[in-house]
Amino acid sequence: GAGVSQSPSNKVTEKGKDVELRCDPISGHTALYWYRQRLGQGLEFLIYFQGNSAPDKSGLPSDRFSAERTGESVSTLTIQRTQQEDSAVYLCASSLGRNYNSPLHFGNGTRLTVT
Amino acid sequence: EDKVVQSPLSLVVHEGDTVTLNCSYEVTNFRSLLWYKQEKKAPTFLFMLTSSGIEKKSGRLSSILDKKELFSILNITATQTGDSAVYLCAPALAGTASKLTFGTGTRLQVTL
Repeated sequence: GAGVSQSPSNKVTEKGKDVELRCDPISGHTALYWYRQRLGQGLEFLIYFQGNSAPDKSGLPSDRFSAERTGESVSTLTIQRTQQEDSAVYLCASSLGRNYNSPLHFGNGTRLTVT
Repeated sequence: EDKVVQSPLSLVVHEGDTVTLNCSYEVTNFRSLLWYKQEKKAPTFLFMLTSSGIEKKSGRLSSILDKKELFSILNITATQTGDSAVYLCAPALAGTASKLTFGTGTRLQVTL
């Protein structure tokens, strides 16, 4: 597609339920990033995938958070046993990868509300 | 630990004013500095700066990088209400650690 696509655009879930967020990066982009943005806050790095290398998971806030990526395509971010503090916009971005000095291109995000 | 500081945190100006937004950084393995504009949803890319002292321009926006003093500025001349947004900067790192660490941003509001 023309840009990074994320789904769903909005998700409301009850505390304690699991949620899965999806990201389709730009075709040909080997690098994929997940960020979290709480209301009125900056972008908080969660995880970074680069090709077939082991992902950089250093930003995941707890073991309730996990992410997968199949090859250089779709990624899913899973939050288990959601808590109210997980409410935020989850942004995905992709880029050509570390061998290229190229910018990140962001999707429109998934707004997650945990009630 | 990587550090990115943006100033001011917020700014209110009248249409037609010129503004300067600041970004200072302390990172290891610096590669380039990126500026983004965030309105309601996704941040949109503005500039990538790799070399010191070379100004990049796009319409009324311009930006420059100082790699010695570790900062960058984003200028907006003749501001318009459509410039109202949060402006984010992020130093990109070389090598395997190429994730972007964003500053908290400068919230710009342009009033009539």
